[in-house]
Amino acid sequence: DADVTQTPRNRITKTGKRIMLECSQTKGHDRMYWYRQDPGLGLRLIYYSFDVKDINKGEISDGYSVSRQAQAKFSLSLESAIPNQTALYFCATSDSGANTGELFFGEGSRLTVL
Amino acid sequence: GIQVEQSPPDLILQEGANSTLRCNFSDSVNNLQWFHQNPWGQLINLFYIPSGTKQNGRLSATTVATERYSLLYISSSQTTDSGVYFCAVVASGTYKYIFGTGTRLKVLA
Repeated sequence: DADVTQTPRNRITKTGKRIMLECSQTKGHDRMYWYRQDPGLGLRLIYYSFDVKDINKGEISDGYSVSRQAQAKFSLSLESAIPNQTALYFCATSDSGANTGELFFGEGSRLTVL
Repeated sequence: GIQVEQSPPDLILQEGANSTLRCNFSDSVNNLQWFHQNPWGQLINLFYIPSGTKQNGRLSATTVATERYSLLYISSSQTTDSGVYFCAVVASGTYKYIFGTGTRLKVLA
């Protein structure tokens, strides 16, 4: 099983619907991130969390919210989806402790908003 | 904020050729990673290399932090090397990885 698991892997929805993307990890890392990738572009940071009580906005947080339910779980919500939120979404983790801070990604969630 | 530029943006190689991908960054960094995004969209960790040189099989990487660049070398390229290569950095004094826009590599059989 993957160390960083995202669900769903693919989702098609309609404008105005609420969508939640979930991420869970078994790496024991304290830091978790949500990134968005648009075709032909790099990854842009939506939100990040350095522990359960710490949530921070990234570069492109408008239209998104997050919840850190536990150290191992970090969810991304689109309260009212719009077509320009069609993208590939990635969850990632890193460790602030004795390890290097290396970033590890889930397999991605492909979201299409019609 | 820090700027991360990768070059070339696109690269086409014949199988067996060697290549060098470059990542320039505009400020000092604490962390630097190279990733390969395969045609199925998965992001694969290649190197964690904030400084120095590392090698893993046909791939190697060098980061010269004082001159603010990193290089990824691919030798004897194979069709499975195709995809997009991303460089990502954490600027000193910050805690977030910022990504370059990638180098899209296509290796022809």
